Amino acid sequence: EIVLTQSPGTLSLSPGERATLSCRASQRVSDTYIAWYQQKPGQAPRLLIYGASRRATGIPDRFSGSGSGTDFTLTISRLEPEDYAVYYCQQSTSSLWTFGQGTRVEVK
Amino acid sequence: QVQLVESGGGVVQPGRSLRLSCAASGFTFHTYAMHWVRQAPGKGLEWVAVISFDGDNIYYSDPVKGRFTISRDNSKNTLYLQMNNLTTEDTAVYFCARARGVGDYWGQGSLVTVSS
Repeated sequence: EIVLTQSPGTLSLSPGERATLSCRASQRVSDTYIAWYQQKPGQAPRLLIYGASRRATGIPDRFSGSGSGTDFTLTISRLEPEDYAVYYCQQSTSSLWTFGQGTRVEVK
Repeated sequence: QVQLVESGGGVVQPGRSLRLSCAASGFTFHTYAMHWVRQAPGKGLEWVAVISFDGDNIYYSDPVKGRFTISRDNSKNTLYLQMNNLTTEDTAVYFCARARGVGDYWGQGSLVTVSS
């Protein structure tokens, strides 16, 4: 089983600042199978990034994904008030999903 | 527009059973694999099970294997999760998700509480 470890657990930043979220896999994962989701309280997860770097439909360009092999990154270039949430990375190798434990982005 | 609506959640005693449904609309249901994902209160996302577009391929996470059964009725555009021998560890919001590799659309979730 591929284990995903996200860091940091919590990120405290002010609006307008840059957020960098990390996701490390326990073994190499093809870019194709890495995604990032945003979840706000009481809501379902929302797909942000798939294929490690491709933005999903309707996702603002301040969100970007990068990485390869075992290390992947989600970057929010300038935090907007609506971006404060929990973010999860996911791998989908062989149709089986695993998620990281999440990174909470909170207002500093 | 794509819609996924879960139902069937509630409060159930340990050892009992419950069946969740996920009604799909706005897309060609029978061409997509579907997943169940759960989230215990205050915790992260945990993948539960997947079923291929035609129902021929099914996989489960270890914690639910042998107790849960995922199925689908493509004539009714509906996904199911039969949950047997429930334990308090199964208390969670259960989401269904459409998949093209990743989950591009999710339902709002159905809360299952296992408590005596």
